[in-house]
Amino acid sequence: QSALTQPASVSGSPGQSITISCTGTSSDVGGYNYVSWYQQHPGKAPKLMIYDVSNRPSGVSNRFSGSKSGNTASLTISGLQAEDEADYYCSSYTSSSTQVFGTGTKVTVL
Amino acid sequence: QLQLQESGSGLVKPSQTLSLTCAVSGGSISSGGYSWSWIRQPPGKGLEWIGYIYHSGSTYYNPSLKSRVTISVDRSKNQFSLKLSSVTAADTAVYYCARVNSGYDCDYWGQGTLVTVSS
Repeated sequence: QSALTQPASVSGSPGQSITISCTGTSSDVGGYNYVSWYQQHPGKAPKLMIYDVSNRPSGVSNRFSGSKSGNTASLTISGLQAEDEADYYCSSYTSSSTQVFGTGTKVTVL
Repeated sequence: QLQLQESGSGLVKPSQTLSLTCAVSGGSISSGGYSWSWIRQPPGKGLEWIGYIYHSGSTYYNPSLKSRVTISVDRSKNQFSLKLSSVTAADTAVYYCARVNSGYDCDYWGQGTLVTVSS
């Protein structure tokens, strides 16, 4: 299975909004509403930010939102803050009953 | 609060078998219908899904690792395990264990453990 495709890096100024894309196929992202997003700070374990495409776990800021169109899912961070600087990974369930991660995106707050 | 903690050998020789255990505390590994997963991250690289074991006991593995991986559960000890055989330097990574929700998202993660493959 191939990793989902994400941009290597995205940057924005404090207060701005940024969007990270996650492109797969009809066998993963496009075929199921089981897309999740993770935030990872250096040296730390990943943290679940979005599940089932657009749902936020309890405690996650409402500045984080998710969506999907066709084979591409997106994570939007609004009101960008310094603490949002981290790596972000998408993940999807697949038609083989497996899971696949995205290539990862480094978010830089300018 | 659920907690997961990985343990095992931090140094494994090439061609040998990597063995890790994930101890679950603050909840039963058998309750709630959850599945349990292993994920790894080579130094400086992205996340790679290794596999998971469903609450039913069924296992699913990354096709690229399938011939070398075994994930099992010990419900009496409230833990689950990973075995990866015939390791090479390419298997050097931080290994994470995680709980998998019904939507195949990982909501609880261990802190991760670094496994180095070297002679």
